[in-house]
Amino acid sequence: AQSVSQHNHHVILSEAASLELGCNYSYGGTVNLFWYVQYPGQHLQLLLKYFSGDPLVKGIKGFEAEFIKSKFSFNLRKPSVQWSDTAEYFCAGMDMGRRALTFGSGTRLQVQP
Amino acid sequence: DAGVIQSPRHEVTEMGQEVTLRCKPISGHDYLFWYRQTMMRGLELLIYFNNNVPIDDSGMPEDRFSAKMPNASFSTLKIQPSEPRDSAVYFCASSPGTGWGGGYTFGSGTRLTVV
Repeated sequence: AQSVSQHNHHVILSEAASLELGCNYSYGGTVNLFWYVQYPGQHLQLLLKYFSGDPLVKGIKGFEAEFIKSKFSFNLRKPSVQWSDTAEYFCAGMDMGRRALTFGSGTRLQVQP
Repeated sequence: DAGVIQSPRHEVTEMGQEVTLRCKPISGHDYLFWYRQTMMRGLELLIYFNNNVPIDDSGMPEDRFSAKMPNASFSTLKIQPSEPRDSAVYFCASSPGTGWGGGYTFGSGTRLTVV
């Protein structure tokens, strides 16, 4: 069965620190991968997506993610976080045969000023 | 476009009462999804529709839950009777059928509290 796992449940960083959030997927075939962000009290917003091509994907707000097929990973990175990046981050996957997204359990990021 | 519109934003109800959540997808989007978010279980897909037809309802927890999409611009999720364990945030999302650039557009959610 398709699945997406996020092992970091809660991450605390200081402003300007570098960020890397882990995401691993388990899919049998072609997979599309996404990162969503949910700011406190708000709905989910798309940060970036990977369909095919260049495995390094750049998204909004300075975020990027790298698809590493051999490691079944799609980690989210940002070189220097800001207090405003405090939010919950969800990795999600979709196989080509089923249109619905499967979400990971989420990682709560807290950035301290 | 106003985005995906959900109502109500907050709902508090007593155990045993019927609850109806509403969603208006983005005009022209062919897919509509209902998700439930809780601390314990994260984001769970309940059901999704394509062109108003339910495609996969395997995530609907039990017979107390039902969802309909009578037309392209409206969907409901009904819980009857409601129980305290149904307390969660319910999100609706939509996406286009073709020319899809990826990703859903989510509504702001309905926070349901069953007491």
